[in-house]
Amino acid sequence: GIQVEQSPPDLILQEGANSTLRCNFSDSVNNLQWFHQNPWGQLINLFYIPSGTKQNGRLSATTVATERYSLLYISSSQTTDSGVYFCAVGVYSSASKIIFGSGTRLSIRP
Amino acid sequence: DTEVTQTPKHLVMGMTNKKSLKCEQHMGHRAMYWYKQKAKKPPELMFVYSYEKLSINESVPSRFSPECPNSSLLNLHLHALQPEDSALYLCASSQAPAGTVRGYTFGSGTRLTVV
Repeated sequence: GIQVEQSPPDLILQEGANSTLRCNFSDSVNNLQWFHQNPWGQLINLFYIPSGTKQNGRLSATTVATERYSLLYISSSQTTDSGVYFCAVGVYSSASKIIFGSGTRLSIRP
Repeated sequence: DTEVTQTPKHLVMGMTNKKSLKCEQHMGHRAMYWYKQKAKKPPELMFVYSYEKLSINESVPSRFSPECPNSSLLNLHLHALQPEDSALYLCASSQAPAGTVRGYTFGSGTRLTVV
């Protein structure tokens, strides 16, 4: 089945720093979503981005479907950005399933 | 209403107890999901309901029994659980067909402890 890999697994930054999180997938996908899971466990949609680039405030994301990767950029990090960032993909061959990557755990220090 | 509501938020149960987790959404989504998440791991899919019919069971033990009484409600009935079943149980919904990531919305979860 499709493999979804995220890097880095862990990232510790000072408040105000910028970061780039990466999601690689091993097969063609028809949709891709970035989620943020806060320290209390709530998973929040960030971007639905099967291709192209989107921006929302300090966050932006780019997916290059032909090269099978997606990037999430966080600028001017705040402590509230801490948590785990997951990408999740839906696949053509298994329309009823989505596959989560292993996540990037981000810690922003004040 | 853009929320998925899960109750209870916390649950402690003994290995001989029977309990149920509830999930409700009013976004008109016709696909609903149960996930199990252990600490420091991604969510693992357990069950998928599409148009109120069970479409995927990821080889989940029979001590977990899902139910979808209508298009807005999803239950997970628990019986004779083991301590290793302790986890965060997440409900999600999305537009059909099931598997469409767009509009995928998670509830805040039920943190289950089996003693």
